[in-house]
Amino acid sequence: AIQLTQSPSSLSASVGDRVTVTCRASQGISSALAWYQQKPGKAPKLLIYDASSLESGVPSRFSGSGSGTDFTLTISSLQPEDFATYYCQQFNSYPLTFGGGTKVEIK
Amino acid sequence: EVQLVESGGGLVQPGGSLRLSCAASGFTFSSYSMNWVRQAPGKGLEWISYISSSSSTIYYADSVKGRFTISRDNAKNSLYLQMNSLRGEDTAVYYCARDSDELDYWGQGTLVTVSS
Repeated sequence: AIQLTQSPSSLSASVGDRVTVTCRASQGISSALAWYQQKPGKAPKLLIYDASSLESGVPSRFSGSGSGTDFTLTISSLQPEDFATYYCQQFNSYPLTFGGGTKVEIK
Repeated sequence: EVQLVESGGGLVQPGGSLRLSCAASGFTFSSYSMNWVRQAPGKGLEWISYISSSSSTIYYADSVKGRFTISRDNAKNSLYLQMNSLRGEDTAVYYCARDSDELDYWGQGTLVTVSS
């Protein structure tokens, strides 16, 4: 199974900060990577697919980049509603796998 | 509007069985593959099963293989997960998710608690 390693596992940031989360795959997955946001008690929400494509309705402050084994989720200017946990997920092959998550907290 | 609504969760004793359902609406259910994903309390997301649109292809995570069975009824726009031989480590919120390669729509989840 392809392992996804997310870093950091948590971070503290202020409103307006630029935030970057990284996801590293144990083998190449081309651009078959998605990013999700999850708030407490809620289902995950798709933000980015195909590594860099923004899901419809998602604010443009979210962006994704990377291919192969190294990927990045960037929030250009953190907003109060962005405090949540973020997960990467690969869909290159089964079993589908998720990163361990990055919790973004208020500084 | 795409909607996925899970049901069937609850408290079950170790070794017991439970059947989860996921009712789909707002899209052509028979055209999409579907997945089950779970999340143990305070933990991350774990994919557990996939079924193609025609049920011809099915995959399971090793953690549930031989104990869980995924199925679907396209006439009823419904996805199912039959869970047998349940263990404490199966305690989690179970989500159904639509497959567009990425998992683009998720249900609200149903909680399964395995405890005596």
